[in-house]
Amino acid sequence: DIQMTQSPSSLSASVGDRVTITCQASRAINNYLIWYQQKPGKAPKLLIYDASNLETGVPSRFSGSGSGTDFTFTISSLQPEDIATYYCQQYDTLPRTFGQGTKLEIK
Amino acid sequence: QVQLVQSGAEVKKPGATVKISCKASGYIFTNYAIHWVRQAPGHRLEWVGWINAGNGNTVYSQKFQGRVTITRDTSASTAYMELSSLRSEDTAVYYCARDSEAYWGQGTLVTVSS
Repeated sequence: DIQMTQSPSSLSASVGDRVTITCQASRAINNYLIWYQQKPGKAPKLLIYDASNLETGVPSRFSGSGSGTDFTFTISSLQPEDIATYYCQQYDTLPRTFGQGTKLEIK
Repeated sequence: QVQLVQSGAEVKKPGATVKISCKASGYIFTNYAIHWVRQAPGHRLEWVGWINAGNGNTVYSQKFQGRVTITRDTSASTAYMELSSLRSEDTAVYYCARDSEAYWGQGTLVTVSS
């Protein structure tokens, strides 16, 4: 199975800050990487697919980059409604595997 | 619009079996696989298995092999996940998601308690 290592596990930032989360795969995944946002009691919401493509309707302050095994998720200017847990997931192969999540809080 | 609607919460005793449904609408059911993913309290998302809704082929996580069965009813556009020999560690929210992972069900809480 492909292991996904995500960091940090939690992050505290101020409104307007630039926030960055990283995700490393245990082997190359052909950029088949998704970033999700999950709010309490809700299903994950897909934000970024193919490592860097913004899902329709998702605000442009969210972005993704990277290739091979190393990927980055960025919120360019943190908004109060961005408080959530963020997960990366590879979909290069089965079984699908997820990062451990990054809980984002407002400072 | 694409929708996945799951069955309601379940409470089961250890050793029992639970079967959860996931009814799809807004697209051709047989054109996409359905994944099942679970999330135990305070834990990361965990992939359980997958069914090709067209031909019925399945792939299961090794962790659940032998305990999980995923099926589908194409006439009802519905996928099912059955988990047997339940233990307390299976207490979690179970989600179905359409392949491409852009569409998720609302989740079904399964509580295993004596």
